[in-house]
Amino acid sequence: DQQVKQNSPSLSVQEGRISILNCDYTNSMFDYFLWYKKYPAEGPTFLISISSIKDKNEDGRFTVFLNKSAKHLSLHIVPSQPGDSAVYFCAARMNSNYQLIWGAGTKLIIKP
Amino acid sequence: GAGVSQSPRYKVAKRGQDVALRCDPISGHVSLFWYQQALGQGPEFLTYFQNEAQLDKSGLPSDRFFAERPEGSVSTLKIQRTQQEDSAVYLCASSPRDLLVYEQYFGPGTRLTVT
Repeated sequence: DQQVKQNSPSLSVQEGRISILNCDYTNSMFDYFLWYKKYPAEGPTFLISISSIKDKNEDGRFTVFLNKSAKHLSLHIVPSQPGDSAVYFCAARMNSNYQLIWGAGTKLIIKP
Repeated sequence: GAGVSQSPRYKVAKRGQDVALRCDPISGHVSLFWYQQALGQGPEFLTYFQNEAQLDKSGLPSDRFFAERPEGSVSTLKIQRTQQEDSAVYLCASSPRDLLVYEQYFGPGTRLTVT
């Protein structure tokens, strides 16, 4: 029973355009969400996060949107750059719980 | 400064062998996590240490899996009598905070292949 779902295994976007990565969750007790980026043969690196009390968090080219009623969050990257090509993981955490529940990841390919 | 390091990076074990995987967290980080990542999946929680105390081992798949962090820094994940289903990437992460952790800093992982 997957509590965090990333339904798109891969996504291809033209350089300079917007990349939108999606994540759905089932557990309404999740209170904090994180996006991680992973290059081959490296561990995931933290990218951006959002608390459930917010609906948007922005950091440079990266913006995360949270729609609690739909149990959906998305990561927007604009403009997309070749170095953004990686696997992106969505993860969620429940209050007072250190465990992160992860999605399966979406491979983003930025075409030159 | 130095990030989280893990060794070995790759390990091939014959079924039935014991293996030990090492994690060196970022100096001073209180929290340490081990995850198992199967091919095409996200990481799955195995166990959590706060300093030297193992506060949660609920994710360890069987009693063949054992983790320790005796001095609150380096941690070792040991798998006894390895089975083919143990083949995965084992990730270690550390965090400067305890309990309500936010971002975690990951090592590159150890890819374990059991033949």
